[in-house]
Parts: sequence; structure tokens; C-alpha cells
Amino acid sequence: EADIYQTPRYLVIGTGKKITLECSQTMGHDKMYWYQQDPGMELHLIHYSYGVNSTEKGDLSSESTVSRIRTEHFPLTLESARPSHTSQYLCASSELARAFFGQGTRLTVV
Amino acid sequence: AQSVTQPDIHITVSEGASLELRCNYSYGATPYLFWYVQSPGQGLQLLLKYFSGDTLVQGIKGFEAEFKRSQSSFNLRKPSVHWSDAAEYFCAVQWRGGSNYKLTFGKGTLLTVNP
Repeated sequence: EADIYQTPRYLVIGTGKKITLECSQTMGHDKMYWYQQDPGMELHLIHYSYGVNSTEKGDLSSESTVSRIRTEHFPLTLESARPSHTSQYLCASSELARAFFGQGTRLTVV
Repeated sequence: AQSVTQPDIHITVSEGASLELRCNYSYGATPYLFWYVQSPGQGLQLLLKYFSGDTLVQGIKGFEAEFKRSQSSFNLRKPSVHWSDAAEYFCAVQWRGGSNYKLTFGKGTLLTVNP
């Protein structure tokens, strides 16, 4: 069974706050991804990493940042949250042709 | 509980053969429905989606999917598979209503294409 975890599952936070969305996997995968998705819309890749100390911007521009200090950990940070950041954030990891997804974090900025 | 099931973990077909990937969901109402493809080392790419209306949806790369409410299914089809279609395919559903809009993926079906 795949093990990839995201916390928190739901977060409601005020404008201007700094937040970090956590994503961890125990499978030793080098490749990890962050996606953003608005209700009824397709997923958009916002960040990806091919290994430790490797991070790249995805297809959709995002004000968030990521880090990859450890293989198993790929946190996403928003320095100053805004209502426009309200969305669902989905973390994934992959190896060869198989991908695994976290449960997602539903972020609401008020 | 709400769930998405892709019953086939791995499917192998010959190039030129037809393909059908199955997806079933468990939910009280019609959700948004998606099919994504992930090629090795790549991110997800949307193949097609269903929101409402015509139950036969056309997507990219020659794929189509049919929503059947009575069977809670959204199966993906392609009449003639190409070697480049080898990838992992994910069905996803998004529950409508409320403030949740939770997006749930199936576990994926890995497609191998033989020459």
C-alpha cells in the first residue's frame, strides 16, 4: 500500500498569515509533485522535484515555494496567504510509471 | 463512503487493439468526472472531463469516455491503441456541493502496449 501523507487535510486561515502544507512519503521516491485544483477544474502542476535539492516551477505560476531537503519530505509554503490562494492542493510522488497521491489539503483563506 | 474504483491494476494490449479502462464511483449524486494520464516521469495530463450534458465525452489523443449513471461508471476507451499510449491512467471524481469539493483519485491502471 502506498504511503503518502498530507497535513492538514483542511485549513482555514486569515489573510497575511504564513502557512506550510506538509507532504511526506515513505516509499523513497525521487520525484514529487504539487498540484493545485479549483472546484470542477483540472489539476495544474505548480511545483515538482526530481530529488533532494531539486525543485522546479510547474505549468501554473504560483506564489508558493517548495523545498526538498529530504527525499521523503516536500513541503509547500505561502509566505502571506491571500483569498486568491483558496484552493485544493494535492501532493504526489512517482517512481517509473507509477504515481501515488496524497489526500489533498483544502485551503481557505478568509 | 465516497470512493473511486479502478478494478484493473495492470492491462496489456497489442498495438492497434481497442482499449477500455474501467472506473466506478460510489456517491449519492453525479460528481465531476475526470481521466488523467501520467507518462513515466511526467506530471498528470488531463485527457477528458464530464460535468453534465452529453454522456459521451471526447478527449485528447483519440480517447473518449462514457458516463453511465445507472452503473456509476465512467469508462475510458480508445478504438486503436498506439505504443505511445503506454502510461498510467487515473480516474478522478470531485464531489459537488458544499464547501468541500474533495477530489479523489482511483489507484490507477497501468497500460502496457505490446508491438
